[in-house]
Amino acid sequence: DVKVTQSSRYLVKRTGEKVFLECVQDMDHENMFWYRQDPGLGLRLIYFSYDVKMKEKGDIPEGYSVSREKKERFSLILESASTNQTSMYLCASSFGPQGLHFGNGTRLTVT
Amino acid sequence: AQSVTQPDIHITVSEGASLELRCNYSYGATPYLFWYVQSPGQGLQLLLKYFSGDTLVQGIKGFEAEFKRSQSSFNLRKPSVHWSDAAEYFCAASTGGFKTIFGAGTRLFVKA
Repeated sequence: DVKVTQSSRYLVKRTGEKVFLECVQDMDHENMFWYRQDPGLGLRLIYFSYDVKMKEKGDIPEGYSVSREKKERFSLILESASTNQTSMYLCASSFGPQGLHFGNGTRLTVT
Repeated sequence: AQSVTQPDIHITVSEGASLELRCNYSYGATPYLFWYVQSPGQGLQLLLKYFSGDTLVQGIKGFEAEFKRSQSSFNLRKPSVHWSDAAEYFCAASTGGFKTIFGAGTRLFVKA
């Protein structure tokens, strides 16, 4: 079974802090994704990566950056956290078009 | 524009009753279709997927879905619902690239 592990289930950060969300997958998938999930807005794609050091903007990249130095690890970075980035963040990986495998999510609160 | 629509925001069924969750898509060509389930506080889990071929697809946890091209639908079904099936269900579509479009979700409540 594919395992996607997000390093934190809950995070509380202050406005202006730099925040790192880490995600690791164990199935050698080339594709990795970061989504945020908000009530009433559904899942929105922030960034994705199709290979090491490669990244593409999703639908809502503003205020975020990503890093993929190793195939199994995909990090989401909030350069200067703001209260409107309070959300559930979901990491996912995939092999081609075979469907997404999600981690359990990180619920981030920015105060 | 490409879209995935789940007409029901929430559905309540009795334990042991059958279930059907509706999903319609709007794409230029038939996309790859998926159903995911999300339990409270968890990530999404892939239930099943349709790429081509047999229009009735079997998935995990006893779920199945039927693709109907003429109706642009991909409805999820289960013959007998268990209390543990209470969750939110998402229909999704992709053209095989990196963008997956998700429906807004249907929350399933199961009553004893």
